[in-house]
Amino acid sequence: KNQVEQSPQSLIILEGKNCTLQCNYTVSPFSNLRWYKQDTGRGPVSLTIMTFSENTKSNGRYTATLDADTKQSSLHITASQLSDSASYICLNDMRFGAGTRLTVKP
Amino acid sequence: KAGVTQTPRYLIKTRGQQVTLSCSPISGHRSVSWYQQTPGQGLQFLFEYFSETQRNKGNFPGRFSGRQFSNSRSEMNVSTLELGDSALYLCASSFVPDSYEQYFGPGTRLTVT
Repeated sequence: KNQVEQSPQSLIILEGKNCTLQCNYTVSPFSNLRWYKQDTGRGPVSLTIMTFSENTKSNGRYTATLDADTKQSSLHITASQLSDSASYICLNDMRFGAGTRLTVKP
Repeated sequence: KAGVTQTPRYLIKTRGQQVTLSCSPISGHRSVSWYQQTPGQGLQFLFEYFSETQRNKGNFPGRFSGRQFSNSRSEMNVSTLELGDSALYLCASSFVPDSYEQYFGPGTRLTVT
C-alpha cells in the first residue's frame, strides 16, 4: 500500500529565508511525483512533476529533488516571500501526502 | 484563454440522493482528473481520464463513477450519497496525462445533509 508522508506538518520562517520540505513515499518505481502549492481557499497549483529517473527539477525559486534509493523527495524554497505562505502537498502514485503548512512572516 | 470550469459551484443534497458534477477543461486539454478534498482526509485522487478512457482510479467505492465525452468535458457521479461525501470536488486538466502544466478548476462544494 502506498504511503506518502510529509514533514514537517507546519513550518514558520522569516521572509527571505530558505526552507526545505520533505516527502517520503513507499511505492517505487512510480510514474511520477508531483509537488503542489495550495493557498487557503484556492485550488492546488502544480509546481513540479518528476519522473522516476529525474533527480532535480526547478521552477523559479522552487527546486524539487528526488532520491529513488531512499524514496524521498524534497521541495526547496529559496528567498521566501510572504506569498509563499500556503500548503505544499506531494502526490505519488495517486496518493497525496497530508501537506506541509508553510507560513512566511515579515 | 478560459480556465477549467466546474459546475455547479455549490450543491446541497440529502443522504441517499445522487449527484452529477461537471468539469469543462481548458480548450485543447484532453486529460481530466478528479479529486476530493476534505478537512479530515485532505486531497484524495478519484479518477483520471484521457481521450474518453479512464486511465486511473483511486480507492473509492463504486458509488463514485465518472466519464469523459468526446469534447473532453467530464462528469462525475456519486450515487446514494452519504454524509461523508461532503467535500470539495476538484477537477484538473492538462494536454496529456503526467503533464507539468496541470490546471485546477475552482471546485464544487458538495454538502450532504
